[in-house]
Amino acid sequence: EVQLVESGGGLVKPGGSLRLSCAASGFTFSNAWMSWVRQAPGKGLEWVGRIKSKTDGGTTDYAAPVKGRFTISRDDSKNTLYLQMNSLRAEDTAVYFCAREGMLLGNAADYWGQGTLVTVSS
Amino acid sequence: SYELTQPPSVSVSPGQTASITCSGDKLGNKYACWYQQKPGQSPVLVIYQNAKRPSGIPERFSGSNSGNTATLTISGTQAMDEADYYCQAWDSSIVIFGGGTKLTVL
Repeated sequence: EVQLVESGGGLVKPGGSLRLSCAASGFTFSNAWMSWVRQAPGKGLEWVGRIKSKTDGGTTDYAAPVKGRFTISRDDSKNTLYLQMNSLRAEDTAVYFCAREGMLLGNAADYWGQGTLVTVSS
Repeated sequence: SYELTQPPSVSVSPGQTASITCSGDKLGNKYACWYQQKPGQSPVLVIYQNAKRPSGIPERFSGSNSGNTATLTISGTQAMDEADYYCQAWDSSIVIFGGGTKLTVL
């Protein structure tokens, strides 16, 4: 059974940093492209970024609002995806989901974690 | 930047057909997918590559994509289908979500 479990959310002051983790199981993590998606309270889904598998170059792509502040990385030996968030702003307050991009599904996100809440407030 | 536009809300009577649209420039030239999200839950993929259903998704969910509009159609809508629905497409390597549509079954 595929499972994605996020952790690391919490309350952080504006300008602060936080690192989220996403522990994956039930599939070959090293072969997967992985994404982070966020959802501000009462709002819609917003893509944050992705990291490709190392065999596909391991490169990252980011949405404009987080580019230069957020960094996605992966540790295939630990089956874990990370999101390092720096220079946090109030508008980064959201539930953060990790999701697997289904390579056989045209890269649509076929599995999602339960999300972890990040609150940026003084 | 590329944008996807959805109606904020759609209402449908039980047993009837619900259609949710997603508009974007030349969207028909891209692949679109759709997610269902119920309150307090994570999104669930219901349609990918315009019209394909993942395993476990009921046949009443279907999709199409042509011109500037992708459409999610739910035939014989059930009360359990009440949820927010999001379309998604790709602009080069960037993922774009529509603003979401709240489907009310009443």
